[in-house]
Amino acid sequence: AQSVSQHNHHVILSEAASLELGCNYSYGGTVNLFWYVQYPGQHLQLLLKYFSGDPLVKGIKGFEAEFIKSKFSFNLRKPSVQWSDTAEYFCAVKTMDSSYKLIFGSGTRLLVRP
Amino acid sequence: DTGVSQDPRHKITKRGQNVTFRCDPISEHNRLYWYRQTLGQGPEFLTYFQNEAQLEKSRLLSDRFSAERPKGSFSTLEIQRTEQGDSAMYLCASRSSGEQFFGPGTRLTVL
Repeated sequence: AQSVSQHNHHVILSEAASLELGCNYSYGGTVNLFWYVQYPGQHLQLLLKYFSGDPLVKGIKGFEAEFIKSKFSFNLRKPSVQWSDTAEYFCAVKTMDSSYKLIFGSGTRLLVRP
Repeated sequence: DTGVSQDPRHKITKRGQNVTFRCDPISEHNRLYWYRQTLGQGPEFLTYFQNEAQLEKSRLLSDRFSAERPKGSFSTLEIQRTEQGDSAMYLCASRSSGEQFFGPGTRLTVL
């Protein structure tokens, strides 16, 4: 069965620090990968996605992620975080059966101190 | 607002009561999903509709749970004889051919 692991449950950074959130998935076939963000009091929003092609994908608000097939990883990065990046971040993999449902990791809570 | 909407946003109920939640997807989206999210966890898939047909149900969806999507538009999720373990955020998402768009969720508290 497919699964997603996020290694860091809580991350605290100061503004301007660099961010890297880990995500590993288990699935041997073709994968579509996503990072979603949930700001306090708001609904889940898509940050970026990987379907195929260039393994370095860029998303909104300066975020990027790199798909490394050999490591089954899809880590999220941002060179310089802002206080407004305080949120919960979820990595997800889309199943390739007919439902295309999402399998989520447990999430990482990021707190950025001003 | 043309996004996914859910109603109510919050529901407090006593154990043993029945509750029903509604999801209105983005109008042209034929696929609709229900997920459940508990504290400290990511959303977990519950069930999936394509148009009005319920095509997949998770084993998380016990026989106390039922979902419908009449006419392939809005969907309802009903929980009968609620238990404290049902307390969670219930999320709805819809998609056509691309990404899933999520609604704000309904937070259920069972006392």
